[in-house]
Amino acid sequence: GNSVTQMEGPVTLSEEAFLTINCTYTATGYPSLFWYVQYPGEGLQLLLKATKADDKGSNKGFEATYRKETTSFHLEKGSVQVSDSAVYFCARGTDNYGQNFVFGPGTRLSVLP
Amino acid sequence: DTAVSQTPKYLVTQMGNDKSIKCEQNLGHDTMYWYKQDSKKFLKIMFSYNNKELIINETVPNRFSPKSPDKAHLNLHINSLELGDSAVYFCASSSRDKFSPLHFGNGTRLTVT
Repeated sequence: GNSVTQMEGPVTLSEEAFLTINCTYTATGYPSLFWYVQYPGEGLQLLLKATKADDKGSNKGFEATYRKETTSFHLEKGSVQVSDSAVYFCARGTDNYGQNFVFGPGTRLSVLP
Repeated sequence: DTAVSQTPKYLVTQMGNDKSIKCEQNLGHDTMYWYKQDSKKFLKIMFSYNNKELIINETVPNRFSPKSPDKAHLNLHINSLELGDSAVYFCASSSRDKFSPLHFGNGTRLTVT
């Protein structure tokens, strides 16, 4: 298999709430895993990454841990801000030489003041 | 300095026309991509070039033709535009390292009327 599944959005939270966006992947090997964020009208920006099992990627208060046993890479943030409102994409790289990335469908997050 | 830049940012044109989108990266990457993002934010890879050679060519109408004059540039030419081509097109690049993330341009919003 070659897919990435994310929780359906949209997700609406109040400021300072706890955020979890679930992501699971299928893989025949051990690909690198990524979270990207897309703000309105902009391209995708790398938010964080993890390259091997049990690695934790973190950036701007967001975290995700590479869980090989559950093939998951859930995104979390302890206290969201209005400025975190965006679409979040989970992605996996390939374990082959060739970089055929696979993206999840994206999860829209809206944070209300 | 913009790492991956694409032009134009907006493109409005009529059905049947031919148009091009240009992309340049100054990151020294060997691999460049074109992605299509539909109105629901789904990202679909269209093409991937490695050192000016095509390595991924997904099921895309042959009206779409990528051209890579050198490894820093990957342009997308579209012939006989159709209404269904309306989308946001993203250029991206990456290095050959399998741990390397994709770096995206800011996108070109194509509207076919």
